[in-house]
Amino acid sequence: KQEVTQIPAALSVPEGENLVLNCSFTDSAIYNLQWFRQDPGKGLTSLLLIQSSQREQTSGRLNASLDKSSGRSTLYIAASQPGDSATYLCAVRPNNNAGNMLTFGGGTRLMVKP
Amino acid sequence: ETGVTQTPRHLVMGMTNKKSLKCEQHLGHNAMYWYKQSAKKPLELMFVYNFKEQTENNSVPSRFSPECPNSSHLFLHLHTLQPEDSALYLCASSQEAAGGLYEQYFGPGTRLTVT
Repeated sequence: KQEVTQIPAALSVPEGENLVLNCSFTDSAIYNLQWFRQDPGKGLTSLLLIQSSQREQTSGRLNASLDKSSGRSTLYIAASQPGDSATYLCAVRPNNNAGNMLTFGGGTRLMVKP
Repeated sequence: ETGVTQTPRHLVMGMTNKKSLKCEQHLGHNAMYWYKQSAKKPLELMFVYNFKEQTENNSVPSRFSPECPNSSHLFLHLHTLQPEDSALYLCASSQEAAGGLYEQYFGPGTRLTVT
């Protein structure tokens, strides 16, 4: 059974810092990995999706990397801003023949202080 | 806006009530999902519908009953719930096609409180 872990569970940084959020998964037979952002009491916003054949994806100040063989992904946020404060979730989708369910990590709650 | 809407956004119900949650996607997707998010627990998949057919039922109690009348609409019918069912219920959709990205798009959720 796939298990997804996110470290740290919570992170507080001053504005302007570069930071890295970590995601690890136990079964490397994945189709893709998605990073999401969730604001308190709200739904999920997809940030980046990395296919299993890709090493990284970039969107603005966000960069996500994937090392499938070691079961790890990182989300790098450059020049953090108070508006980046939210919970960040990673989720993996199994290989095609195993269905289309996502397995989520517990999230990292990020606070960026002005 | 992600193209997935959910109503109501907040719901308070007693344990003997019957209510329904509604989800609608405007993205032309062919798969829809219900997830449950409880406090301090990871998001849990409840049900998956592909082309209006239920393909996953993740050991969900029968007091939760999904319905997918067409590929754009998904309902979750609730009856005789327990206080521990209080949670944020999230709907999502994706386009399932060979070789595709299969990116899932989420609605804003319904915050359910069972009293």
